[in-house]
Amino acid sequence: AQSVTQPDIHITVSEGASLELRCNYSYGATPYLFWYVQSPGQGLQLLLKYFSGDTLVQGIKGFEAEFKRSQSSFNLRKPSVHWSDAAEYFCAVGALEAGTALIFGKGTTLSVSS
Amino acid sequence: GAVVSQHPSRVICKSGTSVKIECRSLDFQATTMFWYRQFPKQSLMLMATSNEGSKATYEQGVEKDKFLINHASLTLSTLTVTSAHPEDSSFYICSVWAGGPPNEQFFGPGTRLTVL
Repeated sequence: AQSVTQPDIHITVSEGASLELRCNYSYGATPYLFWYVQSPGQGLQLLLKYFSGDTLVQGIKGFEAEFKRSQSSFNLRKPSVHWSDAAEYFCAVGALEAGTALIFGKGTTLSVSS
Repeated sequence: GAVVSQHPSRVICKSGTSVKIECRSLDFQATTMFWYRQFPKQSLMLMATSNEGSKATYEQGVEKDKFLINHASLTLSTLTVTSAHPEDSSFYICSVWAGGPPNEQFFGPGTRLTVL
């Protein structure tokens, strides 16, 4: 069965420090992978996505993620965190079958300390 | 990407009443829309897949008679929570499938439902 695991429920990072949020997936083939960010009471904003090709993908707001097939991972990174990055981050996997819903991880809450 | 709106953004209702939530794709014709539910501090859980002109497909454990979904046009899907109870209080989010693989979706801003 398809699944997404985000091992870290809550992470606190100092402003200006680097960030890595972990995401592991279980899927029978190469999946489509997404990272979304959600601010309190808001909908989801797409940060970046991986479909194929270069395994290091760049997203908005200075985020990047690297697809590692051997580790079934798609970790999100940012070299320098800003206080405005505090939010909930969701990793999601999409199937190859067209029109199927995404499967989300449980999310990681990012807090930024000054 | 596609712009998706939801209305209302917040609704408070009394137990036993019904509430309708609209999801609109403003600049894209969507044959498929999805409805998710998100409880506080939890992830998004798929409730149903809504296809234009046909019956919605519900996930296991979601009562189709309680959560009525209508996808009457390529730009509008509605979710009606019938006889709402406090345990139905949640954040409801719709998304629009952008077409083709890959399965990129665009999400609405969500509707916060509180049932008193």
